[in-house]
Amino acid sequence: QVQLVQSGAEVKKPGSSVKVSCKASGGTFSNYAISWVRQAPGQGLEWMGAIIPIFGTPNYAQRLQGRVTITTDESTSTAYMELSSLRSDDTAVYYCARGVAPSPIYGFDPWGQGTLVTVSS
Amino acid sequence: DIQMTQSPSTLSASVGDRVTITCRASQSISTWLAWYQQKPGKAPKLLIYKASSLQSGVPSRFSGSGSGTEFTLTISSLQPDDFATYYCQQSGSTFGQGTKVEI
Repeated sequence: QVQLVQSGAEVKKPGSSVKVSCKASGGTFSNYAISWVRQAPGQGLEWMGAIIPIFGTPNYAQRLQGRVTITTDESTSTAYMELSSLRSDDTAVYYCARGVAPSPIYGFDPWGQGTLVTVSS
Repeated sequence: DIQMTQSPSTLSASVGDRVTITCRASQSISTWLAWYQQKPGKAPKLLIYKASSLQSGVPSRFSGSGSGTEFTLTISSLQPDDFATYYCQQSGSTFGQGTKVEI
């Protein structure tokens, strides 16, 4: 049973960057897409991007292009999401999730527990 | 970008009711649609993938249908544990805005 464990909550200043990690255990890492989804307080889900570790080429949501970077470290089965030039409206819970099949197109299961990122001066 | 529109935004129902949520895509997505349930403070849970395939461990009262641009999630007999927010997602990317199912 695959489990995803994310890094802890972060408080960041506007204009800075944040890097959230997502460590997979209990299953295959390299062949399954890892996606990142965020949820602002009281709002819906926003897809940020995805990567298949074995291929290494990420795909990003257009509105975040240029600010988000998704990477993986296959040696530690860990995925990372870095968001730069942070603004107050980037305050959200950030989730990682693995594709239910190797391609992310089928949907996501399991999910990490979520990481709260608060952007405040 | 493909837009996803769910309706209704909020749904009031009672235990035992049959509940239907609709999701429309701005262009055809074949059957590349997933449905999730989310409860407050928790990560979303996958219910349905590829429009109509039930994820392992999900109760059979949940079902999905549709193709192209119009999709539905049906709960055949609403249970107390089903009061939550439901999201559709196309092709592993864009989500609908959510439907809150409340008492």
